[in-house]
Amino acid sequence: NAGVTQTPKFRILKIGQSMTLQCTQDMNHNYMYWYRQDPGMGLKLIYYSVGAGITDKGEVPNGYNVSRSTTEDFPLRLELAAPSQTSVYFCASSLQGNYGYTFGSGTRLTVV
Amino acid sequence: GQQVMQIPQYQHVQEGEDFTTYCNSSTTLSNIQWYKQRPGGHPVFLIQLVKSGEVKKQKRLTFQFGEAKKNSSLHITATQTTDVGTYFCAFGSSNTGKLIFGQGTTLQVKP
Repeated sequence: NAGVTQTPKFRILKIGQSMTLQCTQDMNHNYMYWYRQDPGMGLKLIYYSVGAGITDKGEVPNGYNVSRSTTEDFPLRLELAAPSQTSVYFCASSLQGNYGYTFGSGTRLTVV
Repeated sequence: GQQVMQIPQYQHVQEGEDFTTYCNSSTTLSNIQWYKQRPGGHPVFLIQLVKSGEVKKQKRLTFQFGEAKKNSSLHITATQTTDVGTYFCAFGSSNTGKLIFGQGTTLQVKP
């Protein structure tokens, strides 16, 4: 099992550009999440999904969108990138609620 | 919104010394999870505590959940350089699975 796979690992965007961060898992987990981590800080929840076709906002959803058309994939879309979106983005999954997360290795995004 | 406070923010110890990080909430938690993140890495799940007063051990790591389920601690006995990293506590919702993370405690170990 590959676990949770995130692509790309690194990306530099110019202000106003858009991009999609990819996340896929092969563990048949129902629950998937997107977090961002700013330097020296904890993790903030952006969006989450409890199953295919179901998504909901987390603590910091502004400037982002998600979709969950399959159990495996949970892409995060950034529209009109801003410097405040410079961060490390982690995708995670869990089999059910109240289970430990499996995290991907992260995408380090810089907006200039 | 509901949150947890984690202390200390940083801790530097000599190899062989013990280390403890604390997680405190103003409200009762249904469960608490602990994660470790190595420098430059991603968080890795360590354990989940659910019961009041629960104590669990993993080799040199001891995890506790308070009797009132409002606090938790992670204690490392005789630290090693491999223990370096940031330790996060997190609490969550069983319905949605979403976790709220503490700010983390970063541990440095001097050999």
